[in-house]
Amino acid sequence: AQKITQTQPGMFVQEKEAVTLDCTYDTSDQSYGLFWYKQPSSGEMIFLIYQGSYDEQNATEGRYSLNFQKARKSANLVISASQLGDSAMYFCAMREGSLAGSGGSNYKLTFGKGTLLTVNP
Amino acid sequence: DTAVSQTPKYLVTQMGNDKSIKCEQNLGHDTMYWYKQDSKKFLKIMFSYNNKELIINETVPNRFSPKSPDKAHLNLHINSLELGDSAVYFCASSQELVRARRGDYGYTFGSGTRLTVV
Repeated sequence: AQKITQTQPGMFVQEKEAVTLDCTYDTSDQSYGLFWYKQPSSGEMIFLIYQGSYDEQNATEGRYSLNFQKARKSANLVISASQLGDSAMYFCAMREGSLAGSGGSNYKLTFGKGTLLTVNP
Repeated sequence: DTAVSQTPKYLVTQMGNDKSIKCEQNLGHDTMYWYKQDSKKFLKIMFSYNNKELIINETVPNRFSPKSPDKAHLNLHINSLELGDSAVYFCASSQELVRARRGDYGYTFGSGTRLTVV
């Protein structure tokens, strides 16, 4: 079963407008973390924003904010005042796993399929 | 200084060859990963290491063998390359075992290695 669902394969937005990229997740853990990454055409993975499951306030980082609705298991990314440079692939990811008694951990990021955002001038 | 550096950036090779990708992180993180991004851009974990100990091995063919000589390095060796191995391989690191500071949950990715098998 898919743990991270991004239902929008592609999105278009006009420059200077706001856009919301959807992400829903599935987990039975009480403690987890949600991430958004940007992947421009050059290919690198750029960290944008993080939301912990116990964080009561929505995370914000500059023009990025995360609309966290825990009961709905959604973690949508809002980009305000879109810029041409925002055109990229955006991935939602969930950190899941646990610490082992032996001192190790099996934490990992599980990614959604991504949303390709195009900002039009 | 690049936080997570992987080499080479591009790798073109023939079927049946053996190749390696190297990764180094200077963040002092205790956990390193290999992820594979396929032609549809889907990212999937392959391996994770805690302090050079293999923790996650996600049903990856035996032809893929990771090696971690120390906690700052994680290499990926691939034997008998197949056409289906063509993908972008990302190395990443994170701090999992000991929280250096509150909120330090960042996963830092290398710039990726685009492997093309012909």
